[in-house]
Amino acid sequence: QKEVEQDPGPLSVPEGAIVSLNCTYSNSAFQYFMWYRQYSRKGPELLMYTYSSGNKEDGRFTAQVDKSSKYISLFIRDSQPSDSATYLCAMNAGGTSYGKLTFGQGTILTVHP
Amino acid sequence: NAGVTQTPKFQVLKTGQSMTLQCAQDMNHNSMYWYRQDPGMGLRLIYYSASEGTTDKGEVPNGYNVSRLNKREFSLRLESAAPSQTSVYFCASSPSRWSNYGYTFGSGTRLTVV
Repeated sequence: QKEVEQDPGPLSVPEGAIVSLNCTYSNSAFQYFMWYRQYSRKGPELLMYTYSSGNKEDGRFTAQVDKSSKYISLFIRDSQPSDSATYLCAMNAGGTSYGKLTFGQGTILTVHP
Repeated sequence: NAGVTQTPKFQVLKTGQSMTLQCAQDMNHNSMYWYRQDPGMGLRLIYYSASEGTTDKGEVPNGYNVSRLNKREFSLRLESAAPSQTSVYFCASSPSRWSNYGYTFGSGTRLTVV
């Protein structure tokens, strides 16, 4: 069983829709949670990050972490065609893990006009 | 404003050939990483270098070696390529090993081993 599970999709939504992307994890030591966006044939770029449980909002994006359920989510409001990309969740236990990230498999999102 | 630069961008190798993937960063970061990305597997850590002069194995180090040439450069070497090493390779850097968020990735090297 993978430490981090992410539904690979693909997910196809119309422009303007609310998108929900999710990851579950098994390692209770994870404390730092990130979402990366990866456009085709590009490297991942950091989209949002949160520490421990709670919500964080940045424009159209909201990241949620529920450590008790070992579940994290990314919500995209008013989705745009430019949001079409692969979204990767990543986690880190901090401390002696020395910055080593554990990634989910990625969800392919297409937003069509 | 280059960030993390990887060369080459594409490569085709025959089984048994060797090659070195190059990575350089211009952000004065201390820590550097090599990941591979395969369909359905996400990104998996191959090797990392917490600081200049140190390297350590990640999750999938077999068949690879690394060299931290200086603070800017971190190379990945395949001594005898195998088809199982067909993948997209990403180099990343972070300000330090204690950086929990500040990773910058290169644009990748797409390697095919036939």
